[in-house]
Amino acid sequence: EDQVTQSPEALRLQEGESSSLNCSYTVSGLRGLFWYRQDPGKGPEFLFTLYSAGEEKEKERLKATLTKKESFLHITAPKPEDSATYLCAAATISGGYQKVTFGTGTKLQVIP
Amino acid sequence: GAVVSQHPSWVICKSGTSVKIECRSLDFQATTMFWYRQFPKQSLMLMATSNEGSKATYEQGVEKDKFLINHASLTLSTLTVTSAHPEDSSFYICSAPYSGRVRTGELFFGEGSRLTVL
Repeated sequence: EDQVTQSPEALRLQEGESSSLNCSYTVSGLRGLFWYRQDPGKGPEFLFTLYSAGEEKEKERLKATLTKKESFLHITAPKPEDSATYLCAAATISGGYQKVTFGTGTKLQVIP
Repeated sequence: GAVVSQHPSWVICKSGTSVKIECRSLDFQATTMFWYRQFPKQSLMLMATSNEGSKATYEQGVEKDKFLINHASLTLSTLTVTSAHPEDSSFYICSAPYSGRVRTGELFFGEGSRLTVL
């Protein structure tokens, strides 16, 4: 069974204090690893897709990396507006259809 | 970027009534859309895959007669919660894969619909 595990569940950072969020995955045949940001009461907002080990993508203060077993979302010098829940998801193909398995998310709080 | 619109954002209904939620892809066509349910502090749980022109595919444990899905066109899917009960109260989110430019279509999500059944 495909599994995606995120850690930590919650993270509290001071503004400017860099850190990383972890996403470990156990899936059959990874087609893509997605990162999303979700604000309370909203649908997830797409951030990145990573396809193969060694790949990196950046967007403002966020940088996502991928290995064969896990992905990291690095947040450099975070600001309060970066506070949100960050979800990762692994896409595979099952029975000819794309299947996406989500982790439970890391709730990030950045304190001014 | 690709936009998925969901309506209504929130709805309160009496027990026993039916509620319809719409999901539209605004600037791309989606032959497939996904419906998720999210409980507080939990991950998104896939309920069903909506296929344009054919029957929806439901995940194990999801009642087909309770959650009716209709994919009426290439840009519209609807989820109807029939005879809603308080335990159906949840955050429902739709998504569509944007396969126009990537190997696996990134999922773009609607804003979500908060259903409260009294």
